[in-house]
Amino acid sequence: ELKVEQNPLFLSMQEGKNYTIYCNYSTTSDRLYWYRQDPGKSLESLFVLLSNGAVKQEGRLMASLDTKARLSTLHITAAVHDLSATYFCAVDGGGSNYKLTFGKGTLLTVNP
Amino acid sequence: EPEVTQTPSHQVTQMGQEVILRCVPISNHLYFYWYRQILGQKVEFLVSFYNNEISEKSEIFDDQFSVERPDGSNFTLKIRSTKLEDSAMYFCASGTSGNYEQYFGPGTRLTVT
Repeated sequence: ELKVEQNPLFLSMQEGKNYTIYCNYSTTSDRLYWYRQDPGKSLESLFVLLSNGAVKQEGRLMASLDTKARLSTLHITAAVHDLSATYFCAVDGGGSNYKLTFGKGTLLTVNP
Repeated sequence: EPEVTQTPSHQVTQMGQEVILRCVPISNHLYFYWYRQILGQKVEFLVSFYNNEISEKSEIFDDQFSVERPDGSNFTLKIRSTKLEDSAMYFCASGTSGNYEQYFGPGTRLTVT
């Protein structure tokens, strides 16, 4: 059974600080996805990482993928309140199997 | 920018009733999905649909569930006889094989009483 584990599940940060969310997965798929979800809202795609060593950055968020370690990280730089949300990582089944298996999510709260 | 749309946004139904949740995927997408999220929990895959047939389904997607693409634009999820535990947010998503990304709709909140 494919497992996707995120940690931490809850993260309370001060504005201006840096932190990293970790995502471990058990599949051999090399496709890793990060989504953001605001309360009561849908899932917003942040990053799609498709190969070992892939790194993508958007604003204060940077995601990376190490397929050998089956680990992805989402790094937050100089957090601001607007980043408060739940962040999910997900992996697909590999090959032509695009079914996503999600982690439990990390609830990020950025405090002033 | 094209987006996935879903209707209704909220559906309240009594246990045992049938519900149909509707989705309009992005027009040039070929892969369609339903996921659900029970309040406060992670997102769970239900079913994927490609080339007018189910390509994969989860254990959750039992005989009470069915999907259909009745025309060139709509993609529906039917629950024949709802149970209390079907209460959740149901998300439709669509994608292409080119960039792997799945685009999620705003969701339908289903409440079974």
